[in-house]
Amino acid sequence: DAGITQSPRYKITETGRQVTLMCHQTWSHSYMFWYRQDLGHGLRLIYYSAAADITDKGEVPDGYVVSRSKTENFPLTLESATRSQTSVYFCASTSGQAEQYFGPGTRLTVT
Amino acid sequence: QQQVKQSPQSLIVQKGGIPIINCAYENTAFDYFPWYQQFPGKGPALLIAIRPDVSEKKEGRFTISFNKSAKQFSLHIMDSQPGDSATYFCAASVYPGNTPLVFGKGTRLSVIA
Repeated sequence: DAGITQSPRYKITETGRQVTLMCHQTWSHSYMFWYRQDLGHGLRLIYYSAAADITDKGEVPDGYVVSRSKTENFPLTLESATRSQTSVYFCASTSGQAEQYFGPGTRLTVT
Repeated sequence: QQQVKQSPQSLIVQKGGIPIINCAYENTAFDYFPWYQQFPGKGPALLIAIRPDVSEKKEGRFTISFNKSAKQFSLHIMDSQPGDSATYFCAASVYPGNTPLVFGKGTRLSVIA
């Protein structure tokens, strides 16, 4: 199916564990973004990518790592998860013509 | 530093009412102002967007009003329906949108019958 997908949709992990959130889009959009959504904070940008092998930090990048070896994939890794990283994570993509398309989100709980 | 301030945090209106959500921005380089709608358990979806060359844009029951000198923009929902109950986010960026969006904190709208 065409679109943008995220996996897993729900994840519970322990403090200190490494966890990777996957994002895949089928439109061949050049630009991809990771946001986190927290009550009272809205959506905050973690990292973004303008093309394969080009990534840049957003507002809240600490504790996160991204890679983009293929245009369609943009995984987000929490190297050593902390409770403050409990959040809902959204991936988005755009061709560069204004509208960003969001995935369904991953709800991550760090215990 | 919050670059886009959104108010109110929550809003309850009767069916048929006209909820108004306001946003203010600081960065004068911003020239693209979208509104996103989010239903529970879903990702945000673009509702309507405006650029500074016009002061108002309508799409169906949704209208954006834009005041460039005040650096403010607002969303009006005409004849609101229970199905409009959702969280609304304003955002801003530099056109054409391949730069990251800066979001407001969101407004939870409830339309009661």
